[in-house]
Amino acid sequence: AQSVTQLGSHVSVSEGALVLLRCNYSSSVPPYLFWYVQYPNQGLQLLLKYTTGATLVKGINGFEAEFKKSETSFHLTKPSAHMSDAAEYFCAVSNLNVGNEKLTFGTGTRLTIIP
Amino acid sequence: DTGVSQNPRHKITKRGQNVTFRCDPISEHNRLYWYRQTLGQGPEFLTYFQNEAQLEKSRLLSDRFSAERPKGSFSTLEIQRTEQGDSAMYLCASSLRQGPNSEAFFGQGTRLTVV
Repeated sequence: AQSVTQLGSHVSVSEGALVLLRCNYSSSVPPYLFWYVQYPNQGLQLLLKYTTGATLVKGINGFEAEFKKSETSFHLTKPSAHMSDAAEYFCAVSNLNVGNEKLTFGTGTRLTIIP
Repeated sequence: DTGVSQNPRHKITKRGQNVTFRCDPISEHNRLYWYRQTLGQGPEFLTYFQNEAQLEKSRLLSDRFSAERPKGSFSTLEIQRTEQGDSAMYLCASSLRQGPNSEAFFGQGTRLTVV
């Protein structure tokens, strides 16, 4: 079984400030971890993913995330927020490495950027 | 644009009516997934296909739901005798299986409102 917990359903940061979106996972096998972004009335776009190897993963739009096995976390960060970052962000886990490709998503974090 | 295409984008139907949604995956993607997203929640897995074979179905997929992918290309999701609880965004995704490098690309979704 696998699950994802996203702490904070709403996060507000000032433009230019650090963005930190929290994600903790539960998985019975080593997980694959993902962050997706969703703009209003749109589908999901992959920001970044961790499968194996380097635990610090860089994605699109200046985002990065670090896989910390000891903390079962995969928090998303961006050093300087931009107005265009306002969206809903979803953390997800899969067990693709053992043939289970379905994604299990968290409930999402809505990011608001304050001008 | 050769992304995942979903039709219709919006559907309003009366309770008890049947509805059918279509998903056209990215050409040559052999895996196709259906997810359901209700307001304020992350997407939930419904089912997925490899080519024309339906490999897994979620317990969320009641007997009123049926999905097909007859020729291993486009897919349809039918809901019979719709209920108000079926109101949600239905998302389709496709991928070309390449192990750790596999990425699911999502369509823009079909928003269903049952009145």
